Parts: sequence; structure tokens; C-alpha cells
Amino acid sequence: AQSVAQPEDQVNVAEGNPLTVKCTYSVSGNPYLFWYVQYPNRGLQFLLKYITGDNLVKGSYGFEAEFNKSQTSFHLKKPSALVSDSALYFCAVRDITGTALIFGKGTTLSVSS
Amino acid sequence: NAGVTQTPKFQVLKTGQSMTLQCAQDMNHNSMYWYRQDPGMGLRLIYYSASEGTTDKGEVPNGYNVSRLNKREFSLRLESAAPSQTSVYFCASSWTGRVDTEAFFGQGTRLTVV
Repeated sequence: AQSVAQPEDQVNVAEGNPLTVKCTYSVSGNPYLFWYVQYPNRGLQFLLKYITGDNLVKGSYGFEAEFNKSQTSFHLKKPSALVSDSALYFCAVRDITGTALIFGKGTTLSVSS
Repeated sequence: NAGVTQTPKFQVLKTGQSMTLQCAQDMNHNSMYWYRQDPGMGLRLIYYSASEGTTDKGEVPNGYNVSRLNKREFSLRLESAAPSQTSVYFCASSWTGRVDTEAFFGQGTRLTVV
């Protein structure tokens, strides 16, 4: 079965430092991977996706993600964190039927000033 | 362009009461979904509909029913609410058969069952 794991419940970084939010996946076939962000009391907003091609994917708000097939990982990164990046981040993968998205449990990012 | 609209935004129910959560999308998407979000559990799929007139169970369907009223609307019904159904409910939509496209989410309905 398709699944994703986010091994860290919380990530703390100082403003201006680089950030990484980790995600590993398990799929049958090609992985179609997504990152979403959720700000307090809001819905999920799409950040970026990996479908095929370049292993470094660029997305919204300066975020990027690195796809690594050998490590089955899709880590979210940003070179310089902002306090406003503080939010809940979800990694997701398309299920085997290509229908729904299967989500990880989420990682809370806290950026301190 | 409103995207995905959910109503209501907040609701408090007593155990045993029923209610319907409404969802509508204006992006002409074929697929629509209902998820619930609980602390430490991420988002779990309740039901989805790949096209008008079809619905399928997701990971946690017990205690819920759905109706795909037309292409735009997908409702979630709790027939007899239980405290375990206290959660935040999200509706989403996307293109059917397009594994490379993202899903778009509504703002959520925060439901408390007392």
C-alpha cells in the first residue's frame, strides 16, 4: 500500500537559517508526491509536487523539495526560513489507483525570530 | 473564483443528532473527497467520488454517508453523531485520472460533538 512518513512531529529553526522537513514514502510503481502547508484555522495550500524529471522541485514561497529515489525520500527545504513560514506541513502521495491523496501525519514548523 | 467552499465553518452537535456538511467546487473537477483531520493523525480519507453518480469508501467511512449531488456538490452526512466524530472536516477536489495534479481544499468545518 502507498504510504508516507514524516518522522518529525516538530522542527524548530531560527529565522534566516535553512530548514528541512523530512518525508519518506513507500509506493508501488511511480511515486507522485506532494507538499502542502496549513496555517492555523485554514485549509491546506499546495506548495509543490514531484511527478517526473528533475529531482529538485521548486514551489511556492521559496520552498523546494529534493526527490531521492534510492532513499525513497522527498524532503522539503528552504534556504532561509521566515517567521511567517511557521505552520503545519504535510507530505502526500497519490494512492495506487491514482484517485486520492494519502497524507503523512504532519510536521509543525516553528521559526523563531 | 471561489475554489472549494464548505458550509458550515463551525458546528456543535449533541450525541445522536444528525447533520450534513456541504461542499461545492467551481473548478469543473471530476473527483471530490472528504477528509477528517485529527491531532497527530494527519488527514484521513472518509469517502471520495471519482465522478458524478459514484462514491467509494476511504480509510475511515464508518458513521458517515455521502451524496454526490451533481458535478459541483459533494455532501457528507452524519446520521447519529458520536463524540469520536469531533474533528475538522475538509472537502477537496481534483481531476480524475490525472495523477500529476494536486487537490484543492476547502477551509474546513470544525465539528464538536458533545
